[in-house]
Amino acid sequence: KNQVEQSPQSLIILEGKNCTLQCNYTVSPFSNLRWYKQDTGRGPVSLTIMTFSENTKSNGRYTATLDADTKQSSLHITASQLSDSASYICVVSANRDDKIIFGKGTRLHILP
Amino acid sequence: DAGVIQSPRHEVTEMGQEVTLRCKPISGHDYLFWYRQTMMRGLELLIYFNNNVPIDDSGMPEDRFSAKMPNASFSTLKIQPSEPRDSAVYFCASSQITSGANTGELFFGEGSRLTVL
Repeated sequence: KNQVEQSPQSLIILEGKNCTLQCNYTVSPFSNLRWYKQDTGRGPVSLTIMTFSENTKSNGRYTATLDADTKQSSLHITASQLSDSASYICVVSANRDDKIIFGKGTRLHILP
Repeated sequence: DAGVIQSPRHEVTEMGQEVTLRCKPISGHDYLFWYRQTMMRGLELLIYFNNNVPIDDSGMPEDRFSAKMPNASFSTLKIQPSEPRDSAVYFCASSQITSGANTGELFFGEGSRLTVL
């Protein structure tokens, strides 16, 4: 069964600190993996996309990694800012039947 | 482009009433998706269209839900009759994908928060 599991469910850190969010998936055959950021009361916005051959991709202070062998991805946030407070959703796409599977997200709170 | 536009942003209604949610996708996008988001279940795909044609509606919970896309710039999601368990945020997203529905970035609207009393 195609599944995307994210951890932790929620995370609280102080402003300026780094953090890492995890995503494990069992989607097959794998097409790509995206991380979305969803601010409270808004729609999700794509941060990064990674295909099978990519293992690291950065977008400013956000760095995503992908290990296609272990089917794991992480999103690392460096020098966190208050505006990073949001839900981060891991989304994996399958090549078959145009399936897009969403994780339930990690709720990140940045404290001043 | 103004992005994906949804209306209403908030809807409060009583059980049994009909609810219609509206979506205007980004011009030129050929895929349109309707999602429902709750705390317990996260984002769930309800239905998606390709070139105005419904492709997969297996996520539509039951016959009370229906969706239409009469043209490339407009879609509706209707719930009739509504029930308290339908309370959620409903998102519309569009995408421009050259091959398949799963390779392009999804652009989401701001969502319609539905509360059924």
